[in-house]
Amino acid sequence: EDQVTQSPEALRLQEGESSSLNCSYTVSGLRGLFWYRQDPGKGPEFLFTLYSAGEEKEKERLKATLTKKESFLHITAPKPEDSATYLCAVQANQAGTALIFGKGTTLSVSS
Amino acid sequence: DARVTQTPRHKVTEMGQEVTMRCQPILGHNTVFWYRQTMMQGLELLAYFRNRAPLDDSGMPKDRFSAEMPDATLATLKIQPSEPRDSAVYFCASGLEEGGEQFFGPGTRLTVL
Repeated sequence: EDQVTQSPEALRLQEGESSSLNCSYTVSGLRGLFWYRQDPGKGPEFLFTLYSAGEEKEKERLKATLTKKESFLHITAPKPEDSATYLCAVQANQAGTALIFGKGTTLSVSS
Repeated sequence: DARVTQTPRHKVTEMGQEVTMRCQPILGHNTVFWYRQTMMQGLELLAYFRNRAPLDDSGMPKDRFSAEMPDATLATLKIQPSEPRDSAVYFCASGLEEGGEQFFGPGTRLTVL
């Protein structure tokens, strides 16, 4: 069964304290791995797509990496405005275009 | 800028009533998805369409939920009759099949009393 597990469930950081979020996946053939950001009361906002092991994408203080079994979202020198829930999702070859989401990591950054 | 819109944003209803949620996907997108989000289950896929044709609705309780795309600019999700366990946030998303990325609307927060 295709599955996505994110850890930790919650993460508290001080402003400037870098860290990483983990997304482990089990899928029957990976078409793509997606990272989203979700703010309270809003819909998920697309951040990155990764397609193959070794691929990396960057946007401001965020960098996403991909291996054959997991993805990391690295947050460098976070700011309070980076506080949100970060969702990981995979698209499997057998699932058409449907995404399977993890339950997310809620990040809180305090100044 | 292009974005997915959903109406209503909030809905409070009583058990047994019919609920209809609407979504306008981004113009030009050929795939449309309905998700439900709860604290316990996270984001769950209910149904999705490609070029207005339903491809997968295995995530929906068939006896009470139905999803349609009357035209390319409107997707609907209907619950009849509604139950308290249907209380959740319902998201619509759209995308291009080739790209894989999905763009989400702001959601409809449904409360069934």
